[in-house]
Amino acid sequence: DVKVTQSSRYLVKRTGEKVFLECVQDMDHENMFWYRQDPGLGLRLIYFSYDVKMKEKGDIPEGYSVSREKKERFSLILESASTNQTSMYLCASGTSGRAGANVLTFGAGSRLTVL
Amino acid sequence: AQSVTQPDIHITVSEGASLELRCNYSYGATPYLFWYVQSPGQGLQLLLKYFSGDTLVQGIKGFEAEFKRSQSSFNLRKPSVHWSDAAEYFCAVGAYSGNTPLVFGKGTRLSVIA
Repeated sequence: DVKVTQSSRYLVKRTGEKVFLECVQDMDHENMFWYRQDPGLGLRLIYFSYDVKMKEKGDIPEGYSVSREKKERFSLILESASTNQTSMYLCASGTSGRAGANVLTFGAGSRLTVL
Repeated sequence: AQSVTQPDIHITVSEGASLELRCNYSYGATPYLFWYVQSPGQGLQLLLKYFSGDTLVQGIKGFEAEFKRSQSSFNLRKPSVHWSDAAEYFCAVGAYSGNTPLVFGKGTRLSVIA
């Protein structure tokens, strides 16, 4: 089975800190995604990547950046954390081909609290 | 661009009762359609998907869904709910053309009572 591992399940950070959320997948998937999940808002796409060093903005990229230096690793960076970035962050990977046909495998999530 | 609506935010059913979760999508062509489930504190897991062919698709855990093009719907069903089915359910739609990622609905939370 494909595994998507998010390095931190729970984080507490201070406003203004730089935050790194790491995600690693072990099945050689081309595509990787970062979503944010908030009650009543569902999943919203922050960034995605189709290949190493490639990145595309999703629906809510403001305040975030990403890095994909290796195929298996996709990092989400909060340059200066703010309280409105308190949320659950979900990483997913998907097979290559049309993104719309991707069957996504999700990590367990990283719950970030910004104080 | 595609969009998804899950009209029910929260549904409560009795254990053993049947279940139907609604999903309506908006897309100009035949879409790819998915249902995912999220147990408390976990990531999402694929329940089933529709790409083409038979409009009634079977998934894991006894779930099924039916694609109805005329109603732009992809409702999820289960004949007899178990307490372990309590979770949040997300419908998602993918575009057939282009290379845009899935769009998810806002989810339906299912509670199961004895």
